[in-house]
Amino acid sequence: EIVLTQSPTTMAASPGEKVTLNCLASSSVSYMNWYQQKSGASPKLWIYGTSNLASGVPNRFSGSGSGTSYSLTISSMEAEDVATYYCLQLSSYPFTFGSGTKLEIK
Amino acid sequence: QVTLKESGPGILQPSQTLSLTCTFSGFSLSTYGMGVGWIRQPSGKGLEWLANIWWDDDKYYNPSLKNRLTISKDTSNNQAFLKITNVDTADTATYYCARIPLDGSYDYWGQGVMVTVSS
Repeated sequence: EIVLTQSPTTMAASPGEKVTLNCLASSSVSYMNWYQQKSGASPKLWIYGTSNLASGVPNRFSGSGSGTSYSLTISSMEAEDVATYYCLQLSSYPFTFGSGTKLEIK
Repeated sequence: QVTLKESGPGILQPSQTLSLTCTFSGFSLSTYGMGVGWIRQPSGKGLEWLANIWWDDDKYYNPSLKNRLTISKDTSNNQAFLKITNVDTADTATYYCARIPLDGSYDYWGQGVMVTVSS
């Protein structure tokens, strides 16, 4: 089973600040997917295939990485970005999620 | 328009079997490359992948649940199902179903159904 380790667990960013969330895989994966989940809501596909933004995702978000190291970056933090972000690997079964990064605003 | 909706018993007792139904529209599980998965989330905790079924009836399970899972589908009625046998309080969670196209990711999710296991 591929274990995904997300860091940091929690972070707070100021409006306009650049934010980077990390996802480290225990074995190499072909690509990474990211989900945004706001309190009380279902997860939403946010980034797929490592760097492709899902429909409706603002272009201040970007994704990058390869092998075992992936990241989600927000170029300029906004209040609406407050959420928990999860990475998901689909390269091998069982599919696995990271434990999430809770992003708050200062 | 793709929609999915989960349904379940709400509450059940330890050792019982949990039966969940995912009723969807806007796509077909008989279409090449289409799949549906089940994911759960205990309150205040992270997401756990449970199982996936594909258009060709290929099925995959999370081995951590030790053969307690059975996923199936009814293509004619646009439904997917998940059974979990011998439930325990640790199975208390919100259960989601989600669509996944081949070479894609879980792109549409249901609203989730809360299941409580309690004696």
